[in-house]
Amino acid sequence: EVQLVESGGGLVQPGGSLRLSCAASGFSFSNYWMNWVRQAPGKGLVWVSHIDSDGTNTNYADSVKGRFTISRDNAKNTLYLQMNSLRVEDTAVYYCARDGSGPFDLWGQGTLVTVSS
Amino acid sequence: DVVMTQSPLSLPVALGQPASISCRSSQSLLHSDGTTYLSWFQQRPGQSPRRLFYNVSKRDSGVPDRFSGSGSGTDFTLKISRVEAEDVGVYYCFQITHWPRTFGQGTKVEIK
Repeated sequence: EVQLVESGGGLVQPGGSLRLSCAASGFSFSNYWMNWVRQAPGKGLVWVSHIDSDGTNTNYADSVKGRFTISRDNAKNTLYLQMNSLRVEDTAVYYCARDGSGPFDLWGQGTLVTVSS
Repeated sequence: DVVMTQSPLSLPVALGQPASISCRSSQSLLHSDGTTYLSWFQQRPGQSPRRLFYNVSKRDSGVPDRFSGSGSGTDFTLKISRVEAEDVGVYYCFQITHWPRTFGQGTKVEIK
C-alpha cells in the first residue's frame, strides 16, 4: 500500500527540540520531492519545508527558517524534520506530503506537536 | 510572498445546489515554463487533506466530476455542480509557482 506514516510528535517545553519522522512505503521514495505542512488547532494549512529527491536542495517558510531542518534517508525511506528552539506558536499537527504528479498528491495522517510549559 | 485570498470563508449550501469558491493570488501564478501551478485541496472533518486538482484543472483520480477547477493568472474558481453530504469540509487553494509555497485561508462548506 502506498502510504506515509508520521511519528515523533508529543509535548515539549518552549525552547525544546523534537524530531519528526515520516516513513514512506509502497513507492520509490528516493524519486520524489517531499514536504512538511502544519496545521495549528482550528486553523488552516501552512507549508513548512520542502526537500528535493536526493536532499541537495531545501526550502523553508520564514517562520521556521534557522530553527527547523528537513532531511531524508533514502536508504530508510524516511523523511525527517528536526525542530529546535520550539515556540508555543509551533503547536500544530504536522503532515508530511509527497510531490508526485504535482504537489502534495499523497499525505500522511499527521502527528501532533504541542509546545507548552 | 504570494498571498492567496479565498472567498467566501464560509459557504452554507443546500444539498443538490451548486457551490463556488473563489481564490485570488497577489501575483500571477503563470510560471515561466508556461504552467500555472494552482491546486485545490479538500479537508473533511477529522481527516488529512486530499488533493482535488493540480495545475488549475487536472482532476485527481477518484474526484467526482461534479467538481471542476478553472481560472488563469490571478483568478481561480472551484465549483461543485451539486453539493452532496460528503462534500462537507474545508477547501484550500494552494500555489507553488513562487517560493514560498502558500495556501489560501480555507473555505468551510457546510450543508444548509
